[in-house]
Amino acid sequence: QVQLVQSGAEVKKPGASVKVSCKASGYTFTSYGISWVRQAPGQGLEWMGWISAYNGNTNYAQKLQGRVTMTTDTSTSTAYMELRSLRSDDTAVYYCARGLWATQIDFDYWGQGTLVTVSS
Amino acid sequence: QSVLTQPPSVSAAPGQKVTISCSGSSSNIGNNYVSWYQQLPGTAPKLLIYDNNKRPSGIPDRFSGSKSGTSATLGITGLQTGDEADYYCGTWDSSLSAGGFGTGTKVTVL
Repeated sequence: QVQLVQSGAEVKKPGASVKVSCKASGYTFTSYGISWVRQAPGQGLEWMGWISAYNGNTNYAQKLQGRVTMTTDTSTSTAYMELRSLRSDDTAVYYCARGLWATQIDFDYWGQGTLVTVSS
Repeated sequence: QSVLTQPPSVSAAPGQKVTISCSGSSSNIGNNYVSWYQQLPGTAPKLLIYDNNKRPSGIPDRFSGSKSGTSATLGITGLQTGDEADYYCGTWDSSLSAGGFGTGTKVTVL
């Protein structure tokens, strides 16, 4: 069965970086892309971007350009999302989700979420 | 800031029907497919509808989706207590070249 398993919760200070992993199993990793979606406490869903596991092409949300980097390691079927220069409003649960194309916002499988807390 | 607008909440008695609207523009809903998600408290979102009106395997036909112009609608019939959750629409925005989700709607079963 398809599974996306994310790394554990993180606590970071403002200005630091965080890197969240998402290990895929149960399907051919390079046949799909991975999108990242975050949700601040009590708030809605925010699309962060997408990466093709086939060729590494990326598409980032404009508001995160320059601070976010999405990568994949096909040898371990793992996707990564790194966010730099963290601010308090980056505190959120970060989800990875399987998506075929960047322009398709229909994600059939999601990771369990990773809570990232930014606090001094 | 979401470009898709949903009502903050809807409610109905068990067995009744609710509809949730998702309003956008020609750059998003008007020219792209819409999906719908259910999010139970403390869990990841779950795909209910994709390509405007298709249901993934395992999603009961009590859930339906439609789209007209720059708006989309999720319908839930035979409301159950287990349907109490937050619901989000999602689509691509061609002008922003970005994905987007609706503001979210909380469904309450009275």
